[in-house]
Amino acid sequence: AQKITQTQPGMFVQEKEAVTLDCTYDTSDPSYGLFWYKQPSSGEMIFLIYQGSYDQQNATEGRYSLNFQKARKSANLVISASQLGDSAMYFCAMREGQFGSGTYKYIFGTGTRLKVLA
Amino acid sequence: DAGVIQSPRHEVTEMGQEVTLRCKPISGHNSLFWYRQTMMRGLELLIYFNNNVPIDDSGMPEDRFSAKMPNASFSTLKIQPSEPRDSAVYFCASTFLGARGRTDTQYFGPGTRLTVL
Repeated sequence: AQKITQTQPGMFVQEKEAVTLDCTYDTSDPSYGLFWYKQPSSGEMIFLIYQGSYDQQNATEGRYSLNFQKARKSANLVISASQLGDSAMYFCAMREGQFGSGTYKYIFGTGTRLKVLA
Repeated sequence: DAGVIQSPRHEVTEMGQEVTLRCKPISGHNSLFWYRQTMMRGLELLIYFNNNVPIDDSGMPEDRFSAKMPNASFSTLKIQPSEPRDSAVYFCASTFLGARGRTDTQYFGPGTRLTVL
């Protein structure tokens, strides 16, 4: 079974609109972390936002927010007021397991390619 | 602050040659990860180190791949002999593991694009 699932291989959004990129995860570990990364066409992996499994509030970083629904095991990324520079591949990732226990893993989804239209 | 540094940024080599990729993690981080990214397989973890010690190398494809971390500021990933199917982008990432209250966010280097002819 996939640990991280990103069901949207590609998305389009109009400039200045908001867009939601979906991510669902699967873990039985009570302590885990969820991350989103951006990979523009230049290739680098840029960290965007983090959500801990025990965090009570949804994480926000500027125009990025993470819609964390623990019971549904979803961690969708919301980008508000899209800009042309947001066109990129977006990866959802999960860290599960306690470091040192042998179960520590850091798993990436397959990504969603976002294209922002002028 | 300098981020993760990788060299070379691009490498083109012929099948059978030895390839060495280099990585300098962010100062103060105690863990280093090597990933490989291809269109077919996405982002795969190859190996990671904590305090210079290899912890999980289950992702290393085969004996042709080896990785070392002789000190806290340097790591190498070596492929010998290289094959065309090794062509990929290889990323190095670093973080601090084991401290309560830290998010263990991984920060990536720019990657090395390897082409094996």
